[in-house]
Amino acid sequence: DVKVTQSSRYLVKRTGEKVFLECVQDMDHENMFWYRQDPGLGLRLIYFSYDVKMKEKGDIPEGYSVSREKKERFSLILESASTNQTSMYLCASSVRRGRGTQYFGPGTRLLVL
Amino acid sequence: GNSVTQMEGPVTLSEEAFLTINCTYTATGYPSLFWYVQYPGEGLQLLLKATKADDKGSNKGFEATYRKETTSFHLEKGSVQVSDSAVYFCALESGNTPLVFGKGTRLSVIA
Repeated sequence: DVKVTQSSRYLVKRTGEKVFLECVQDMDHENMFWYRQDPGLGLRLIYFSYDVKMKEKGDIPEGYSVSREKKERFSLILESASTNQTSMYLCASSVRRGRGTQYFGPGTRLLVL
Repeated sequence: GNSVTQMEGPVTLSEEAFLTINCTYTATGYPSLFWYVQYPGEGLQLLLKATKADDKGSNKGFEATYRKETTSFHLEKGSVQVSDSAVYFCALESGNTPLVFGKGTRLSVIA
């Protein structure tokens, strides 16, 4: 079974803090994705990566950055957390481009105070 | 650009009722279509998919048929159970671009 793990299920941070959300997949997938999920807005793509050290902006990259130093790990970074970044963050991976099935982690619910 | 529109929820049904969740799409080329499900407290998981016109995806009693003429991929189940309570997302992939998701439809099934 494909497994995508996220470092925390719940996280509470203060405004202005630097926040790291970690995601690891164990199936040697090339593609990895970060989404945020908000009520009424569905899933919105923040960043994605089609290979190690590659990254591409999604629909809402402002205020975020990412790092992919190893194939299995994709980190989302909030450089200076703000209250409007309070959300559920979901990581996903897929085999390669054009192979749509994505496998999701359980999510990290982030609260920024 | 590519987009997915699905019916807004929440949808509340009694156990054993028939379920339909509508999904229509706009896409360039020939997209693949998906339904994902998110159970409470969990991430999304693939429910079913169809990769070409007239294909029917099915899983766990759910079905959806890829209708190119109406650009639709409606999700159906003949008899829902309480355990089907979840949020359902329609999605498409076209070419090498990432999946595009609908906003999700929350289903609540009451005994």
